[in-house]
Amino acid sequence: GAVVSQHPSRVICKSGTSVKIECRSLDFQATTMFWYRQFPKKSLMLMATSNEGSKATYEQGVEKDKFLINHASLTLSTLTVTSAHPEDSSFYICSARVTGLANTGELFFGEGSRLTVL
Amino acid sequence: GNSVTQMEGPVTLSEEAFLTINCTYTATGYPSLFWYVQYPGEGLQLLLKATKADDKGSNKGFEATYRKETTSFHLEKGSVQVSDSAVYFCALTKANQAGTALIFGKGTTLSVSS
Repeated sequence: GAVVSQHPSRVICKSGTSVKIECRSLDFQATTMFWYRQFPKKSLMLMATSNEGSKATYEQGVEKDKFLINHASLTLSTLTVTSAHPEDSSFYICSARVTGLANTGELFFGEGSRLTVL
Repeated sequence: GNSVTQMEGPVTLSEEAFLTINCTYTATGYPSLFWYVQYPGEGLQLLLKATKADDKGSNKGFEATYRKETTSFHLEKGSVQVSDSAVYFCALTKANQAGTALIFGKGTTLSVSS
């Protein structure tokens, strides 16, 4: 099946620093990837849609200058949390849609990246 | 916009009990509907899906039927196992287009004891 890999799985950083999270589709091409944030009570919030070769589309209320998304190739999207603060501590999950398959809407998810900002 | 409401739980059952997790949705048009499962320490996995009204998705003994008249997609299993303990998410496509993002419910934690 389609595999999505995220790295790092856990990261701890100091307040004010920036952290980059990578999302890779390992065995398929993904024109479109999505970034979610999972909150302590489990709900998943869509942050942005990442399209290869173009600017990401951010959901309302998500700061695009805070959460920089780059989708430079058909297999890699990155999320950079800039000037991180403790309130940015969360579980970030990426997902991808397989390019070229029947358009059923199914997404494949990475295992998530736990960010802790001290 | 499209949205999903599901019972938050936690749901605690004994092994072999019947499971229902309710999910209702609000949408314009005809979204695709999904149930995803997140086992402890793992990423989300697709459990089942339905792409049009009256479709029934099924997998691993779980079933859900796309009910347009009641805007529901309830998840059921006749006999749960300890290994079914996980968080279950109901989801739908954000817009009418199948290629768009998924919008998730808040998740329902299921705990099955032997």
